[in-house]
Amino acid sequence: GAVVSQHPSWVICKSGTSVKIECRSLDFQATTMFWYRQFPKQSLMLMATSNEGSKATYEQGVEKDKFLINHASLTLSTLTVTSAHPEDSSFYICSAAGTDYEQYFGPGTRLTVT
Amino acid sequence: TQLLEQSPQFLSIQEGENLTVYCNSSSVFSSLQWYRQEPGEGPVLLVTVVTGGEVKKLKRLTFQFGDARKDSSLHITAAQTGDTGLYLCAGGPGSARQLTFGSGTQLTVLP
Repeated sequence: GAVVSQHPSWVICKSGTSVKIECRSLDFQATTMFWYRQFPKQSLMLMATSNEGSKATYEQGVEKDKFLINHASLTLSTLTVTSAHPEDSSFYICSAAGTDYEQYFGPGTRLTVT
Repeated sequence: TQLLEQSPQFLSIQEGENLTVYCNSSSVFSSLQWYRQEPGEGPVLLVTVVTGGEVKKLKRLTFQFGDARKDSSLHITAAQTGDTGLYLCAGGPGSARQLTFGSGTQLTVLP
């Protein structure tokens, strides 16, 4: 149980375009999902908290107009990187809140902006 | 702001050796999780500890939560090459909302 999927697993896009990443909880309902960004050999940096049916809460320094988050159902949250630039290239990971304490992570999406 | 510091940041050992990774904070956490992450993949939950002084064992891995719930350690006995990865501790305020992640320990076990 507690499986979280992400799609796509990797994506290459041109500078100025937008790309959408999907995060799905496959066998449980997640009212809360999280989006993280990770640079090579570094820890996870929380970008935003996504709550089903309401607006996402963004961490300080994260542009909400650039990283659009939608959590329209209890099993799906999406992150759209708008007007992507090369500096947006990174590993993006989502997680879904489980029971009281745990978060279950997706396999990540490698974004490369050329 | 709650911060979790892990040490060491990098660790390279020979197969068969023992090692300990530390996770320290000045803040109290209601729970603490340990994750392992391999390159190009998401973190995988290893264990959750919630009681001060709690010790949990997972095969060759022993996890301990400090009495004051401000620190934790992960001890690996007889490390294997398959233990290689990024180990992350994460502290929670009592629900799954917003974990605070440690800085990470990159472990390399050499054959």
